[in-house]
Amino acid sequence: KAGVTQTPRYLIKTRGQQVTLSCSPISGHRSVSWYQQTPGQGLQFLFEYFSETQRNKGNFPGRFSGRQFSNSRSEMNVSTLELGDSALYLCASSLVGASNQPQHFGDGTRLSIL
Amino acid sequence: GDSVTQMEGPVTLSEEAFLTINCTYTATGYPSLFWYVQYPGEGLQLLLKATKADDKGSNKGFEATYRKETTSFHLEKGSVQVSDSAVYFCALSGAGGTSYGKLTFGQGTILTVHP
Repeated sequence: KAGVTQTPRYLIKTRGQQVTLSCSPISGHRSVSWYQQTPGQGLQFLFEYFSETQRNKGNFPGRFSGRQFSNSRSEMNVSTLELGDSALYLCASSLVGASNQPQHFGDGTRLSIL
Repeated sequence: GDSVTQMEGPVTLSEEAFLTINCTYTATGYPSLFWYVQYPGEGLQLLLKATKADDKGSNKGFEATYRKETTSFHLEKGSVQVSDSAVYFCALSGAGGTSYGKLTFGQGTILTVHP
């Protein structure tokens, strides 16, 4: 069974640009969650999508957005990039996002802002 | 809100030593608890889980018991190997609708095992 796939693995952008990251969940998983990982703040929850709807959202500015498609694939977008957005962005999937279901993570997209 | 506190690292051990990484949590209701491991350049891998009080999760020689009375989920392994060197994260998923798809993580503990 294929795992969670994130593309691209690495991205370099400059301040003010926007970026789109992609995530393909494990087949049959309908819940996709996104996290930001930085040395200073650790792992922080961005948002979760299920059946193309955002069900849960963390404490991030509106520049961070996402969407989910009918095949459960998800994208997240960051607009007007800031230096502080440099981070590893991780996507995770689970069957339906219930609290007792483990999330399975991709290898992440490393975003560097110059 | 929910929170997870892990013991401060890094932790350095010799091969075959006993490992304990402490984890305590704050949450309402009955959360599910997880340990994840992250190797360099990779995402997080699920190590073990426990979804109700007194459950013991185990995998690859690692164990952790969900202790409701002490709000703890300490990770243990009887004999570590060099290949166990990684960063370990304790995490919880709260009960209730506001917790859909959300894991709350501890700050992570870096483990280095020397031959």
